[in-house]
Amino acid sequence: QSALTQPPSVSGSPGQSVTISCTGTSSDVGSYSRVCWYQQPPGTVPKLMIYDVSHRPSGVPDRFSGSKSGNTASLTISGLQAEDEADYYCSSYTSSGTVVFGGGTKLTVL
Amino acid sequence: EVQLVESGGGLVPPGRSLRLSCAASGFTFDDYGMHWVRQGPGKGLEWVSGITWNSGSTAYADSVKGRFTISRDNAKNSLYLQMNSLRAEDTALYYCAKDMGEGSVDYWGQGTLVIVSS
Repeated sequence: QSALTQPPSVSGSPGQSVTISCTGTSSDVGSYSRVCWYQQPPGTVPKLMIYDVSHRPSGVPDRFSGSKSGNTASLTISGLQAEDEADYYCSSYTSSGTVVFGGGTKLTVL
Repeated sequence: EVQLVESGGGLVPPGRSLRLSCAASGFTFDDYGMHWVRQGPGKGLEWVSGITWNSGSTAYADSVKGRFTISRDNAKNSLYLQMNSLRAEDTALYYCAKDMGEGSVDYWGQGTLVIVSS
């Protein structure tokens, strides 16, 4: 049950786009569409931003989009805003019937 | 409105036990699987355990397998986590979370803090 691999940090200026990658294996990301992305500003509870690779829950801005290729999922945030600054985590269902999270990525809006 | 309220956390010496509870409301509890997810101080999210709607299937992270037991009482709209043989590395904020399908979590509680220390 190794954690999914995410870059520790990414940054971008307001209005720009950033992409956060999430690399797993053929036993998790590569085999299932149950990939999610969560946003967690400091001191708050995680919030679901993307589910099933690319679906947005109601209320999540369409600036947030998800995709997957092979064993790697990606979260893209376009038109960066100051309020997007947070930690982002990916997760995936696994062939063992468990769930695995990524190590998290700190997004800094410059 | 979905609400998940955890309780039962606290300071406990290594090797002791603790039982966490989660009271659920605002949705039909026995229609959904549930999870426990934890976050150590300054660390990332770690999935701990999950249970199906009818308790027919449970799963655990390797780090807690054999020490922790997840259970639920649908009549009481409650989720539990029995934690035995606690270790310092189990120190974390423990979140109760609602499943929306095969490990995808759509709602989180505020968490209950467990500190394992002598």
